[in-house]
Amino acid sequence: QVQLVESGGGVVQPGRSLRLSCAASGFTFSSFGMHWVRQAPGKGLEWVALISFDGTNKYYSDSVRGRFTISRDNSKKTLYLEMNSLGPEDTAVYFCVQLGYWNWGQGTMVTVSS
Amino acid sequence: DIQMTQSPSALSASLGDRVTITCRASQDISKYLNWYQQKPGKAPKLLIYDASNLETGVPSRFSGSGTGTDFTFTISRLEPEDIATYYCQQYDNIPREVTFGGGTKVEIK
Repeated sequence: QVQLVESGGGVVQPGRSLRLSCAASGFTFSSFGMHWVRQAPGKGLEWVALISFDGTNKYYSDSVRGRFTISRDNSKKTLYLEMNSLGPEDTAVYFCVQLGYWNWGQGTMVTVSS
Repeated sequence: DIQMTQSPSALSASLGDRVTITCRASQDISKYLNWYQQKPGKAPKLLIYDASNLETGVPSRFSGSGTGTDFTFTISRLEPEDIATYYCQQYDNIPREVTFGGGTKVEIK
């Protein structure tokens, strides 16, 4: 069965960087685009970024464009989200999501606080 | 950017009641709409895809309808395990953009 396992979350100071990972299994990772979606505490869902199956096309929400970078390593079946210049508004649970079949990971919590 | 307006933001209903949630897109999205259920501390669970298709394993009391800009999600008879927050989500058919509705919190009266 499809499994998506996020990691890399934690507490980070404002202005610092963090890299999230999402390890995929149970499907042909290299055939699917992948999303990052986040959810601030007590808030709704917010789409963050999308990467095509081969990594050539990348799309970002206005709130993270220029600060976050989505990437993937198909040989490792892993999706990444490099987050720079983090602010308190980036505090959220970050989910990776399989494009098309809409399978979600369990999420990893990122807290931006001094 | 496509905006999704979901209503109501919260509702209270009795067990066995019919519950309806609506979602309106700011432009035509054809059938490209999903409905999710989310319980506290959990990832969203896909219930309905392509506006009206029931995901495998999801009880038949859940249904969806609509096309274009106006969509409806229905629970035909509310069960205790249906207490959750529900979200609509549009996805561009040339997948460049995903937008979620604001969510509807369903509680028992």
